[in-house]
Amino acid sequence: SQQGEEDPQALSIQEGENATMNCSYKTSINNLQWYRQNSGRGLVHLILIRSNEREKHSGRLRVTLDTSKKSSSLLITASRAADTASYFCATVPTGANNLFFGTGTRLTVIP
Amino acid sequence: DGGITQSPKYLFRKEGQNVTLSCEQNLNHDAMYWYRQDPGQGLRLIYYSQIVNDFQKGDIAEGYSVSREKKESFPLTVTSAQKNPTAFYLCASSRVEEQFFGPGTRLTVL
Repeated sequence: SQQGEEDPQALSIQEGENATMNCSYKTSINNLQWYRQNSGRGLVHLILIRSNEREKHSGRLRVTLDTSKKSSSLLITASRAADTASYFCATVPTGANNLFFGTGTRLTVIP
Repeated sequence: DGGITQSPKYLFRKEGQNVTLSCEQNLNHDAMYWYRQDPGQGLRLIYYSQIVNDFQKGDIAEGYSVSREKKESFPLTVTSAQKNPTAFYLCASSRVEEQFFGPGTRLTVL
């Protein structure tokens, strides 16, 4: 399976703290994407990082990619209660057209 | 949830019955996808279509069928051959790399 793995499976923090989630994958990739899912809803695209990029920012989000370790991290700074959701990484393997999703990190931000 | 609609939101089916889940998009995207999500799990690809009148099996296509007669529509039929169909089903579309998701249909087999 090309499915990735997120770590931790669940994370609980206080509002205002930073949240870091990690993703590991198995094959070479074209790009890696992070998505967010509120409970019982569809996924929303957050950010895409290409295989030749090492770091990318979007608002309070910072994504890093280490292709030598086949891993990525998502940092959410100054978390808010509204950030409570599940976060998934998804990879597009080299030569493929499809996304392969990880198992997700469930983030709870306590007000 | 953007310009993708899925219906119904909740669906109940008796064992042995086929059921069709609707997915419509008005984003003018060529590619469309169906995923299955089980509790506490990631998404697994069932079928995808890069263009009208063409579709490909994903990782877990057994027991499912699709059609792509129009660019806007990509219905999924869950057949009686699917052994464990109770799950949350998500439809998505894409133009290039980013995928846009519908709100999902929760299917329960009674």
